[in-house]
Amino acid sequence: DADVTQTPRNRITKTGKRIMLECSQTKGHDRMYWYRQDPGLGLQLIYYSFDVKDINKGEISDGYSVSRQAQAKFSLSLESAIPNQTALYFCATSDLLGTGVLYFGPGTRLTVL
Amino acid sequence: AQRVTQPEKLLSVFKGAPVELKCNYSYSGSPELFWYVQYSRQRLQLLLRHISRESIKGFTADLNKGETSFHLKKPFAQEEDSAMYYCALEGEAGGTSYGKLTFGQGTILTVHP
Repeated sequence: DADVTQTPRNRITKTGKRIMLECSQTKGHDRMYWYRQDPGLGLQLIYYSFDVKDINKGEISDGYSVSRQAQAKFSLSLESAIPNQTALYFCATSDLLGTGVLYFGPGTRLTVL
Repeated sequence: AQRVTQPEKLLSVFKGAPVELKCNYSYSGSPELFWYVQYSRQRLQLLLRHISRESIKGFTADLNKGETSFHLKKPFAQEEDSAMYYCALEGEAGGTSYGKLTFGQGTILTVHP
């Protein structure tokens, strides 16, 4: 679904670097999420936001921060990247009325050396 | 805390054979359950939700509250069913997990010709 976009799609960085992953959506949804996917662990929720003024920690928020700049934009930052943050990161959105129905972005593959 | 378990990391069947992807959950209440699917080079997307009680692409899933299971079934698998499948749970309205999904570890289904 091209309505949810993520940049960059691939990124290689070094330990200790600060990095930002960006997510934009044109679906007009209020809810936005950041998940990380690791083999064998499935998808784990990092942060989520139900509207511009509402930010909540997920299961694995340590080492991450987020910014909801507008309804359409939700950025994930790694303040000081470490190798075990190497993963595939997904942004998702949800309509307030579509409970449980998430629309995912294409993912960002992050490698921390 | 709520939990979703998919005991099979990999599942292989032959075309035309029945397939069942297992999902068990732990949640002290009435959750909503979902199956998401990720085909090769496509985005993660909703396959079906138990509340809809519908069959999508020949797949069905029945919520068994006694066994806390939500297994995904298809009587005759097709090669195009090969994908990663995730079971997911959302807590009930008013609860702390409402509005966000907890995912299982995922099962990679391969359907051989």
